[in-house]
Amino acid sequence: QSVLTQPPSASGTPGQRVTISCSGSSSNIGDNYVYWYQQLPGMAPKLLIYRNNQRPSGVPDRFSGSKSGTSASLAISGLRSEDEADYYCAAWDDSLSGVIFGGGTELTVL
Amino acid sequence: EVQLVESGGGLVQPGRSLRLSCAASRFTFDDYAMHWVRQVPGKGLEWVSGITWNSGNIGYADSVKGRFTISRDNAKSSLYLQMNSLRAEDTAFYYCVKGYGQWLVSAFDCWGQGTLVTVSS
Repeated sequence: QSVLTQPPSASGTPGQRVTISCSGSSSNIGDNYVYWYQQLPGMAPKLLIYRNNQRPSGVPDRFSGSKSGTSASLAISGLRSEDEADYYCAAWDDSLSGVIFGGGTELTVL
Repeated sequence: EVQLVESGGGLVQPGRSLRLSCAASRFTFDDYAMHWVRQVPGKGLEWVSGITWNSGNIGYADSVKGRFTISRDNAKSSLYLQMNSLRAEDTAFYYCVKGYGQWLVSAFDCWGQGTLVTVSS
């Protein structure tokens, strides 16, 4: 069982906006940055969002991150078929002295 | 473009040892923290271990503490993971991952393609 809680699945139609939530606690999200990773089928994960809401170069501005208290969200606007992937949130946990991941959310583009 | 190439995976019996290596190139290796992250096929991601740029600070997941040892050789731009007392639940793809900065608390901004470790008799 993951320390960060994500919904196992999410879906949307092309052009739609979808959000994926990530719930934690004061020892992780509440006190540290949140990161989001995208894993396309058969590929290694890729950094999507760092420091709660920053996008690495090359990541479209359709992807955005936010954080409030002990929860975070990833929003994808203008949904495209190529966004179909698994999405993971992550954060440092002060109690565990290590990095923790959410269980992952499988996004389906209908 | 950053390149991370893992090697050393394979089939190993429970209780035995295995050493993973990661050859890094196209970036200044000793400027960044490095990590190992694993993934059971079809399952989620699990951070295994991380090491700062100068090996001054090292961290392990509770699931591997006391059995796995991370190390790095900055002169060779290489990262290692010595895995002892392997268990069936250690079966996974192991990814070599570059940190965004020098310290353990940072984004994982580049990932290797992974090497599969299978622990089975």
